Amino acid sequence: DAGVTQSPTHLIKTRGQQVTLRCSPKSGHDTVSWYQQALGQGPQFIFQYYEEEERQRGNFPDRFSGHQFPNYSSELNVNALLLGDSALYLCASSLFRGRGEQFFGPGTRLTVL
Amino acid sequence: AQTVTQSQPEMSVQEAETVTLSCTYDTSENNYYLFWYKQPPSRQMILVIRQEAYKQQNATENRFSVNFQKAAKSFSLKISDSQLGDTAMYFCAFMNLNNDMRFGAGTRLTVKP
Repeated sequence: DAGVTQSPTHLIKTRGQQVTLRCSPKSGHDTVSWYQQALGQGPQFIFQYYEEEERQRGNFPDRFSGHQFPNYSSELNVNALLLGDSALYLCASSLFRGRGEQFFGPGTRLTVL
Repeated sequence: AQTVTQSQPEMSVQEAETVTLSCTYDTSENNYYLFWYKQPPSRQMILVIRQEAYKQQNATENRFSVNFQKAAKSFSLKISDSQLGDTAMYFCAFMNLNNDMRFGAGTRLTVKP
């Protein structure tokens, strides 16, 4: 049973560019959440997708957008990259009506130069 | 808005001894979930233990147990018989029934041989 997978592992971009990160949830899960984890800090909630709709959103600007596909996989898009967007981006999957556990992927390390 | 506070940025413990990590949170909600996650240097976030707020009994998972004090909004993690593999960042997390999860800033635990 594959767990949560994310791609790519690492990514280097320059300011102003756009980036797309991908996540495949754990088998049987229907909900995907995205987090930004700056170095030395705890993860910050970006948004959550269920039934292909954004259900919850944290305090992130509209430059951060996402999508969920019918197979429950998800993408995180960040436009007009800033140096401060450099971070580890974590994807977590869960059951929308489950016991609350979220299972995390290994993350994508984004560096903005 | 819910906030999670971990007041111990770093802690260390000798192998085989017991250590307790502190966590407090702020919420006006009555039903919610609490979690402790472990993030080793390899960076994949792993669920250690979960607690449902409506359950008075403290959760336990092998060497890991919690002390959940709902009135005090406190949720500490006790690790017994510490092992070298317990060395990691530990994050306390709060999640409401809308699946909005918030993390603390983390505690870096080092287990010394």
